[in-house]
Amino acid sequence: DAGITQSPRHKVTETGTPVTLRCHQTENHRYMYWYRQDPGHGLRLIHYSYGVKDTDKGEVSDGYSVSRSKTEDFLLTLESATSSQTSVYFCAIQGGLAGGPNEQFFGPGTRLTVL
Amino acid sequence: SQQGEEDPQALSIQEGENATMNCSYKTSINNLQWYRQNSGRGLVHLILIRSNEREKHSGRLRVTLDTSKKSSSLLITASRAADTASYFCATDDGRDDKIIFGKGTRLHILP
Repeated sequence: DAGITQSPRHKVTETGTPVTLRCHQTENHRYMYWYRQDPGHGLRLIHYSYGVKDTDKGEVSDGYSVSRSKTEDFLLTLESATSSQTSVYFCAIQGGLAGGPNEQFFGPGTRLTVL
Repeated sequence: SQQGEEDPQALSIQEGENATMNCSYKTSINNLQWYRQNSGRGLVHLILIRSNEREKHSGRLRVTLDTSKKSSSLLITASRAADTASYFCATDDGRDDKIIFGKGTRLHILP
């Protein structure tokens, strides 16, 4: 998990409330990713970023937005949380730590529960 | 989609035995990766094999890639309790900016 932190690590919220998860990297990497992990589905890409202010949608982007105003920070926002968004969220960065193409390095995860 | 599929979904073996898990995918790739996830933790990159490679080793790990069959295998030799984890394969989609994960194999090493 070196170089990547996520906050908060755990959050319980109520349906309809906004939630923002933060991913912070100290590695100065261009690519950052948000995934969700659910039983039976593995890891699914929500959004990713290929630079400051440059983002794109992933496989399960509905209900989520992202922002990247600085290289080191990638924010994931649930504008109005729903119970279906209860999940474990992982941030990842790509490349550099080991130098290979596509190799991703993951944060410790955020466990989000929407009641 | 390009998502890899691991097989088996779950595997239990005795400590000291070898563990083999497989990954199949659907379309051409540039490379394939294997990751490990311990319970409650993020994924950790284990090994990457490029499409022009057939076999790669890293410590007790051996990965093979058969592009004609669109499949890969991960072999863990002389398993240890600490190898208990979920293992995921991940493939690129022909680009360098995204990878797609399979659903994983849960490996349990019995004492």
